[in-house]
Amino acid sequence: GAGVSQSPSNKVTEKGKDVELRCDPISGHTALYWYRQSLGQGLEFLIYFQGNSAPDKSGLPSDRFSAERTGGSVSTLTIQRTQQEDSAVYLCASSLGGLAVYNEQFFGPGTRLTVL
Amino acid sequence: SQKIEQNSEALNIQEGKTATLTCNYTNYSPAYLQWYRQDPGRGPVFLLLIRENEKEKRKERLKVTFDTTLKQSLFHITASQPADSATYLCALPNQAGTALIFGKGTTLSVSS
Repeated sequence: GAGVSQSPSNKVTEKGKDVELRCDPISGHTALYWYRQSLGQGLEFLIYFQGNSAPDKSGLPSDRFSAERTGGSVSTLTIQRTQQEDSAVYLCASSLGGLAVYNEQFFGPGTRLTVL
Repeated sequence: SQKIEQNSEALNIQEGKTATLTCNYTNYSPAYLQWYRQDPGRGPVFLLLIRENEKEKRKERLKVTFDTTLKQSLFHITASQPADSATYLCALPNQAGTALIFGKGTTLSVSS
């Protein structure tokens, strides 16, 4: 079956522009996560959606970052007024349920964002 | 705050040997721990999950141990192959149970 897909695979933008990154989770997965992976760094949690519950936004690094999940499926991560330090690979993952039930996460291929 | 460390950034071994990767954590008592594999340009792929009441878990050539007293997990690949070359990440749930905290990973290189 289809895995997690992300688009675009690469995005180059100029400093100060807004960008939108898209994630299509595996059908039926109620939990969706966004992570960021900078060069030489580990994966950094950004935001978590579980069903209809309020998302956990505790990992978002600034108010320039926001995300939404429409209809419990597709998610969009928006970065406003991009800065060079936002350059990273943005990874989306989904799982059947939340972490409390020990679910493995299925990751997409990521979007490589480069801010010039 | 929780902290997770993977002791070696890189590990080079010869084909056929056993690779042993270490994951240590502090300031936390997680209910479980996961290991993922990441190849260049790809997202991580889940390998194994071990619960706090399990001492050891095996899957084919992979073995994971979980010592909650030492706050350490060991990840073993027996009879290693060049195809095992990748970055291996350990991950713990955060205290809120809403996300995984990942180590920076250990890059394993298996030479033939």
